[in-house]
Amino acid sequence: DQQVKQNSPSLSVQEGRISILNCDYTNSMFDYFLWYKKYPAEGPTFLISISSIKDKNEDGRFTVFLNKSAKHLSLHIVPSQPGDSAVYFCAARRGYGNKLVFGAGTILRVKS
Amino acid sequence: EAQVTQNPRYLITVTGKKLTVTCSQNMNHEYMSWYRQDPGLGLRQIYYSMNVEVTDKGDVPEGYKVSRKEKRNFPLILESPSPNQTSLYFCASSLGPTGYEQYFGPGTRLTVT
Repeated sequence: DQQVKQNSPSLSVQEGRISILNCDYTNSMFDYFLWYKKYPAEGPTFLISISSIKDKNEDGRFTVFLNKSAKHLSLHIVPSQPGDSAVYFCAARRGYGNKLVFGAGTILRVKS
Repeated sequence: EAQVTQNPRYLITVTGKKLTVTCSQNMNHEYMSWYRQDPGLGLRQIYYSMNVEVTDKGDVPEGYKVSRKEKRNFPLILESPSPNQTSLYFCASSLGPTGYEQYFGPGTRLTVT
């Protein structure tokens, strides 16, 4: 039973436009959510996070939105750049101990 | 340079031959984890460690062992590898348990025939 779901395996966006990556979760005990970016042949790298007590967090071109009632979060990238092309993983933390549950990932392709 | 290193990066082995994948971090992090990445399943946590000599099971611990004798090292042991353990493995570390992002190693591609 996947507790964190990324229902779009891939997304293609034109350079300069907005990329929106979505993530749904089922466990209401998750208290922290993170987005990681992964390039081929490299480990995932942390991108941005949000606590469950907030509904928005911004860092430069990246904004994460959390809708707790819908158990949904999204990552917005504005403007999208070709270097943003990567696999994006949504992750949720399940309590103390830094145990993270990851989604299956979404491949983002930004076309120039 | 702050980093998490894993060795080997690629490994092909046969069923039943014990192997160890090493993981080391130079950031003095207390928390370390092992994950496996499989297509369509994302990253699944195998084991994690909150400090030296403190380890706990993640979501898919069967067939794996870990040890944490030193803060910087967190090896993953497969006592009797099987083909269903063919996967991409990542080690990760983080400073603390509350909201700290995890830093990942480059990955180890394991094939068990």
